[in-house]
Amino acid sequence: EADIYQTPRYLVIGTGKKITLECSQTMGHDKMYWYQQDPGMELHLIHYSYGVNSTEKGDLSSESTVSRIRTEHFPLTLESARPSHTSQYLCASSEGDPQYFGPGTRLTVL
Amino acid sequence: QKEVEQDPGPLSVPEGAIVSLNCTYSNSAFQYFMWYRQYSRKGPELLMYTYSSGNKEDGRFTAQVDKSSKYISLFIRDSQPSDSATYLCAMKTSYDKVIFGPGTSLSVIP
Repeated sequence: EADIYQTPRYLVIGTGKKITLECSQTMGHDKMYWYQQDPGMELHLIHYSYGVNSTEKGDLSSESTVSRIRTEHFPLTLESARPSHTSQYLCASSEGDPQYFGPGTRLTVL
Repeated sequence: QKEVEQDPGPLSVPEGAIVSLNCTYSNSAFQYFMWYRQYSRKGPELLMYTYSSGNKEDGRFTAQVDKSSKYISLFIRDSQPSDSATYLCAMKTSYDKVIFGPGTSLSVIP
């Protein structure tokens, strides 16, 4: 089982601000993922990485970007936050199957 | 038609009841099946993972997969108030990304 950490857990920020959501895991998993989840809705994959220096966009179009410089770290950045970015962001990691999730970051953009 | 269908509920049962949660799917290539439990404002927690038809039991939880009917179930015996959460089914092919259902909200009433 993976230990996955996300910070901050909650973030309220004004429109136009740059934000970075942090995700780190301690199990050495090669695969990491970012999902977006709105209340009562499915998880939607927005970014994934199969290893260092490898990042791909997911099924849901997102204005966010990610980087994977270290195996354990997979931050997500929004250059200019907008109210439409208000959502819960979930990070996950895996070594094959299944995926293990972090606690999530609930982002509110005013 | 969505690839994975799940009744969103809410489902309300008395403590001690047997709970049945279900998902149907349309992609016959799905081979791996998972159930996650998600408490409010938390990340999904893996409950069960299986890649074959039939039953898999873990404590009070039993996962059932019927590939011929494209139907999976999660049974919870002797349900407890602490089981109150949203339950997500998830599935994938051998090479593709995980597809999540929207989740079923369960309340176990003391």
